Amino acid sequence: GESVGLHLPTLSVQEGDNSIINCAYSNSASDYFIWYKQESGKGPQFIIDIRSNMDKRQGQRVTVLLNKTVKHLSLQIAATQPGDSAVYFCAENLPGGSNSGYALNFGKGTSLLVTP
Amino acid sequence: DAGVTQSPTHLIKTRGQHVTLRCSPISGHKSVSWYQQVLGQGPQFIFQYYEKEERGRGNFPDRFSARQFPNYSSELNVNALLLGDSALYLCASSPVGDEQYFGPGTRLTVT
Repeated sequence: GESVGLHLPTLSVQEGDNSIINCAYSNSASDYFIWYKQESGKGPQFIIDIRSNMDKRQGQRVTVLLNKTVKHLSLQIAATQPGDSAVYFCAENLPGGSNSGYALNFGKGTSLLVTP
Repeated sequence: DAGVTQSPTHLIKTRGQHVTLRCSPISGHKSVSWYQQVLGQGPQFIFQYYEKEERGRGNFPDRFSARQFPNYSSELNVNALLLGDSALYLCASSPVGDEQYFGPGTRLTVT
């Protein structure tokens, strides 16, 4: 079946640098995407989302880029801090009909390690 | 405002037993979804409920069932537990279903 995947399983960056986490999706019908951050022992924390009618969305220190042509999603974190160390997941909405029928398909995750 | 709450935090069961996990959504959210997260992997969709009706079901056996109550809280039930059911069970709530906010999860260990 179709799935969401990540290019890099681990990413190590120095504090203050910018981080870029990439994600490929294969379901061309997906219309909604979310990035989550998960720290050890905790549930996924919503970071930012984007709908398929957009190609860029910015939040506080984070930017999500969507390239529908190549089915690619990326999360950019500016001025990465030690507190950003976590596993990051991209998730796509599995198309299913009514607006109440949402099921998220998650990738395997990328572990981000921020070193001082 | 309180976030999504789940209980219990941890649970140990033996094979063949039954388990019930509970979830209270964020106030005002009408949709609850359940996910299973095996160590080292991303969450896998199990169920979604909206306005007390099942709106989606993932690829899980019939041993898994759920329901949503009038106050929008939800229970996930798993019968005839297997070792492979050991995982972190996550509940997510949403106003209508798309923007999902996760709880801390219930860590289930089956021995």
